[in-house]
Amino acid sequence: EDQVTQSPEALRLQEGESSSLNCSYTVSGLRGLFWYRQDPGKGPEFLFTLYSAGEEKEKERLKATLTKKESFLHITAPKPEDSATYLCAVQSGNTPLVFGKGTRLSVIA
Amino acid sequence: DTGVSQNPRHKITKRGQNVTFRCDPISEHNRLYWYRQTLGQGPEFLTYFQNEAQLEKSRLLSDRFSAERPKGSFSTLEIQRTEQGDSAMYLCASSFSMTVPNYGYTFGSGTRLTVV
Repeated sequence: EDQVTQSPEALRLQEGESSSLNCSYTVSGLRGLFWYRQDPGKGPEFLFTLYSAGEEKEKERLKATLTKKESFLHITAPKPEDSATYLCAVQSGNTPLVFGKGTRLSVIA
Repeated sequence: DTGVSQNPRHKITKRGQNVTFRCDPISEHNRLYWYRQTLGQGPEFLTYFQNEAQLEKSRLLSDRFSAERPKGSFSTLEIQRTEQGDSAMYLCASSFSMTVPNYGYTFGSGTRLTVV
């Protein structure tokens, strides 16, 4: 059974204080690892798909990396508008995405 | 196309009542998914359709839950005899069945159900 574990559960940063979120996974045949952002009361919003170990994707202050066992979402010089819950999900074969519980990020001005 | 649309956005119901939610996916997408999310948890898979065929149902989907996707367009999720434990955000998402690159799913804003 595919599993995703995210850490930490919550993270509080000062504006400009860079950090990383972790996503550990076990999956039989990774088809893709996905990062989503979710704002309160809204549905998840797609950020990145990573396919194989060593791959990296960037978008503004966010950078996602992937190894055979985990993925990191690096946040460089975060701003208050980056505050949200960040969700990691995996897909094996053609099965539905399996999500972790997410990391709640708060960026304080 | 304005994305995935879910109605209603909020629903408050009394325990024991039946409720029905609607999801209108992105028109080009042939797959439609239902997930449930409770506070502090990630989305949990309930069921999905490819066109009008329901291909998989989670163990979470008790016999009080039923989903349909007539004609492969919009979908409805009905919960009969609601219980307080059904209180959650119900998320709908849609996608193509197989694409490269894989953009995952496009989610709607969800329907927040409160059972009192």
